[in-house]
Amino acid sequence: DTEVTQTPKHLVMGMTNKKSLKCEQHMGHRAMYWYKQKAKKPPELMFVYSYEKLSINESVPSRFSPECPNSSLLNLHLHALQPEDSALYLCASSQDGGRPLPNEKLFFGSGTQLSVL
Amino acid sequence: AQSVTQLDSHVSVSEGTPVLLRCNYSSSYSPSLFWYVQHPNKGLQLLLKYTSAATLVKGINGFEAEFKKSETSFHLTKPSAHMSDAAEYFCVVTQSSGGYQKVTFGIGTKLQVIP
Repeated sequence: DTEVTQTPKHLVMGMTNKKSLKCEQHMGHRAMYWYKQKAKKPPELMFVYSYEKLSINESVPSRFSPECPNSSLLNLHLHALQPEDSALYLCASSQDGGRPLPNEKLFFGSGTQLSVL
Repeated sequence: AQSVTQLDSHVSVSEGTPVLLRCNYSSSYSPSLFWYVQHPNKGLQLLLKYTSAATLVKGINGFEAEFKKSETSFHLTKPSAHMSDAAEYFCVVTQSSGGYQKVTFGIGTKLQVIP
């Protein structure tokens, strides 16, 4: 299994809603990432987890709350989002964990297309 | 510090003609270089990666890239474009750091293939 699975594929939510995005991988990867991608732009890093601990938070607003319950699962909890948060949210994983590996690639999920009304 | 410059934001080619997507990089260390492709509303798929074992790297779907240290370039090529190659292409440089990858994306090149 060399896949990163993201659910749901599409999500429409109001500004008062609470929703969660889910990401799962079974490759034994110990680093997992959340990216946000606006149309016609490259992905922007939001969070990095390494060994289930938050390593990087790129000054993301608190209305986005990541969670890594175990080494295979990564969630992104959403609350009180704004219309400008509408984007494609990508999850990725890599093998790193403790011992960085050179030439290590990221495996990306197919993303959740989020629309905030 | 590392950076990636994709020299063209948009490239248009006719079906069956060669493709050239340009990428220049800078890195304080020996770079780890990748090309990813993204079709509309999809995730990123790895095309190929530079491993330092060979300067000419072959990837999926007939794509190749040549690492030229003297020019700090990693251009992506394909001899003959197919309609299914129409997509966004990202050149990426990464650096391992403390248990994860620091990833720097280029701005992307949109490839249009004309029938």
